[in-house]
Amino acid sequence: DTAVSQTPKYLVTQMGNDKSIKCEQNLGHDTMYWYKQDSKKFLKIMFSYNNKELIINETVPNRFSPKSPDKAHLNLHINSLELGDSAVYFCASSRDRADQPQHFGDGTRLSIL
Amino acid sequence: AQKITQTQPGMFVQEKEAVTLDCTYDTSDPSYGLFWYKQPSSGEMIFLIYQGSYDQQNATEGRYSLNFQKARKSANLVISASQLGDSAMYFCAMRDWTTDSWGKLQFGAGTQVVVTP
Repeated sequence: DTAVSQTPKYLVTQMGNDKSIKCEQNLGHDTMYWYKQDSKKFLKIMFSYNNKELIINETVPNRFSPKSPDKAHLNLHINSLELGDSAVYFCASSRDRADQPQHFGDGTRLSIL
Repeated sequence: AQKITQTQPGMFVQEKEAVTLDCTYDTSDPSYGLFWYKQPSSGEMIFLIYQGSYDQQNATEGRYSLNFQKARKSANLVISASQLGDSAMYFCAMRDWTTDSWGKLQFGAGTQVVVTP
């Protein structure tokens, strides 16, 4: 019973391509997030959605576009991939309360050739 | 500006010993939460323990405990009786409720822990 699942686990592609990462949670949480972990392991939030509505949009290039078709899904589409996009992307979800932890998916390792 | 500071990039600890991982934070919001996550070499992020800014007692969760010193703005993680499976990267994170952050988690740079037999 995977709580937060994201696919694919690995994504290897060429510069300039467009790709998507899918995320689904079965925890009944209201809020979902995308984080980027760089090569130095630093984690930074990219986006957050609450009940399908965008609430956090950090300084992320326009090439990144999140889409939330419903409360349980938050997908990430990336256009015109660049070398600097190589990273691990984590999806997470939480209840809409300050004391509730965020539950993370296993991550998608994106490698740009 | 970096709000979470983990000053120990890496540390070694012997099996069965206790280890303390340092974390200091900076916020002007009176309401916030502090979280610790573990990331083993397999890559997943595992939630360990939570401390709220208004909690009177230090949080404990099995072998994990949090040494919360609010005036010093520190929230150190203590792992007792270390096991080989504790070898991982450990992240401290803060979630405050200022109007521009709306509950996002801000992470420290992490501390790599290696447990030796």
